[in-house]
Amino acid sequence: DAKTTQPPSMDCAEGRAANLPCNHSTISGNEYVYWYRQIHSQGPQYIIHGLKNNETNEMASLIITEDRKSSTLILPHATLRDTAVYYCIVRTSSGNTPLVFGKGTRLSVIA
Amino acid sequence: DSGVTQTPKHLITATGQRVTLRCSPRSGDLSVYWYQQSLDQGLQFLIQYYNGEERAKGNILERFSAQQFPDLHSELNLSSLELGDSALYFCASSVQGLGSYTFGSGTRLTVV
Repeated sequence: DAKTTQPPSMDCAEGRAANLPCNHSTISGNEYVYWYRQIHSQGPQYIIHGLKNNETNEMASLIITEDRKSSTLILPHATLRDTAVYYCIVRTSSGNTPLVFGKGTRLSVIA
Repeated sequence: DSGVTQTPKHLITATGQRVTLRCSPRSGDLSVYWYQQSLDQGLQFLIQYYNGEERAKGNILERFSAQQFPDLHSELNLSSLELGDSALYFCASSVQGLGSYTFGSGTRLTVV
């Protein structure tokens, strides 16, 4: 069962903020939202995760709505190197629950 | 370099053959995960090991098997290979209980 819904593709102009939405309306109270990206056939790369508070790191910001049913990953100043497939994943913190990847959003950053 | 080492990077073999893919996790990580990525299937979880023990199983075929050794490296064995097994195989590692996996650069398997 798909726990998240993401648009299949998005475009973003270089230098602009890229806002990638994710719907997870059936998220449980103990489930985190994780974001990964995969740049053309490379291994997926962890970006950020959060439970209910907004989070920021050197790569991106994660905004989670108050009802936790959706979230947005923000890349503040997209570059061509940010062109990738971005995956939004909902997962508990339990070590026995592996990451399950959906189809993600293919972000194209355009010069 | 992510810290997760996968060998070989590329592998070409014939149908019916058997191959072994190797993964060395990042230092300090006890969990190892294997994923398969083919063009039409996306990233599929195969199997997870934690400190030598199998912890979770995904869509892993009976022709495939894996193990994690005392030094924590892991091997994925693929036998009776078919054309459809051609794919990228990724290994990832993590500290137990966290979802921030570190992935290796993958092994590209081509079955001819």
